[in-house]
Amino acid sequence: DTEVTQTPKHLVMGMTNKKSLKCEQHMGHRAMYWYKQKAKKPPELMFVYSYEKLSINESVPSRFSPECPNSSLLNLHLHALQPEDSALYLCASSQARVSEKLFFGSGTQLSVL
Amino acid sequence: QKEVEQDPGPLSVPEGAIVSLNCTYSNSAFQYFMWYRQYSRKGPELLMYTYSSGNKEDGRFTAQVDKSSKYISLFIRDSQPSDSATYLCAMSESGANSKLTFGKGITLSVRP
Repeated sequence: DTEVTQTPKHLVMGMTNKKSLKCEQHMGHRAMYWYKQKAKKPPELMFVYSYEKLSINESVPSRFSPECPNSSLLNLHLHALQPEDSALYLCASSQARVSEKLFFGSGTQLSVL
Repeated sequence: QKEVEQDPGPLSVPEGAIVSLNCTYSNSAFQYFMWYRQYSRKGPELLMYTYSSGNKEDGRFTAQVDKSSKYISLFIRDSQPSDSATYLCAMSESGANSKLTFGKGITLSVRP
């Protein structure tokens, strides 16, 4: 299994809602990532988990809260988002703490109203 | 100067053409060089991966890295309509906390 699976594929939420994005991989990878991608822009790194510990937080606002319950799962909890947070949220994984060979999921297209 | 510069495009070519995509960079500490392909509404997919300088070939795709010139290229031979996508170059340093630095991406359209 060489897939990174993200759910849901699409999400529409209001600014007062709480929602979660989920990501799962079964490749035995020990590093997992959240990226944010705006239209016609490259992905921007948000968080990195290495061996289930948060190793990089790119100064992301606290309305985004990551969680890594185990080595296969990664969640992104969303609360009180702003319309400018609308974007494609991508999960990725890599074998160890090696950034270069990232496997990306198809993403969650998030719209904040 | 941005760390990674990539021609903005878009680029449109006829089917069968040879395509050349390029990136330049300023950080001499970059050791790993990648090309990702991203179809519309999908996540990026790793296409080519090269460590340090040199060439790498995989089917119709060839990646070249010239560290002395800080220049990387992706060549696509016999381009197909299915190659129509956005191509992102990406680079990283070695080390435990290295992060990928992406180029802005170029959208390629291959006309039948």
